[in-house]
Amino acid sequence: GAVVSQHPSRVICKSGTSVKIECRSLDFQATTMFWYRQFPKQSLMLMATSNEGSKATYEQGVEKDKFLINHASLTLSTLTVTSAHPEDSSFYICSALSKASTDTQYFGPGTRLTVL
Amino acid sequence: AQSVTQPDIHITVSEGASLELRCNYSYGATPYLFWYVQSPGQGLQLLLKYFSGDTLVQGIKGFEAEFKRSQSSFNLRKPSVHWSDAAEYFCAVGPTGTASKLTFGTGTRLQVTL
Repeated sequence: GAVVSQHPSRVICKSGTSVKIECRSLDFQATTMFWYRQFPKQSLMLMATSNEGSKATYEQGVEKDKFLINHASLTLSTLTVTSAHPEDSSFYICSALSKASTDTQYFGPGTRLTVL
Repeated sequence: AQSVTQPDIHITVSEGASLELRCNYSYGATPYLFWYVQSPGQGLQLLLKYFSGDTLVQGIKGFEAEFKRSQSSFNLRKPSVHWSDAAEYFCAVGPTGTASKLTFGTGTRLQVTL
């Protein structure tokens, strides 16, 4: 149980285009989902917290207009990187808190974004 | 503010040897503590967690961790390492009562030699 999926696993795009990453909780309802960014050989940096049906809360220094987050249902959150640039290339990981139990974050497998 | 320190960036052990990965945290109250493992190019898998009670916590894959309040530590241990344990290990701390707002350490990369 407690499986989180992400799609796509890898994406390559041209500079200036937008990319959408999906995060789904497959076997549980997630009231809260988190989006992290991880640079090579570094730790996870929390970008934003999204709650179902409400606006996401962004961490300091994260551009809201560049990283659009939508949490449309209890099982789906999306991250859209708008007008992507090479510096946005990174590994993006989502996680989810179960509605039934908020004591553990379950992580997705991550999405590798490369912007050319 | 909460913080986590993993002093060892990289550790190499021989297969079959014992392992201890260090984690020190800073938090005003009793924290929630976690150990996650990340294989290359993958997401994070929960190894174990501590909320309260018995300070020695058992996890998956034969790992255990001990919470020591006096030392603000939550070190991860395994008696006999397997080659498949080679990965990145992250310690994380969260506020009391919830796993929201986790703060991660910088990770320890474990290499296992045969």
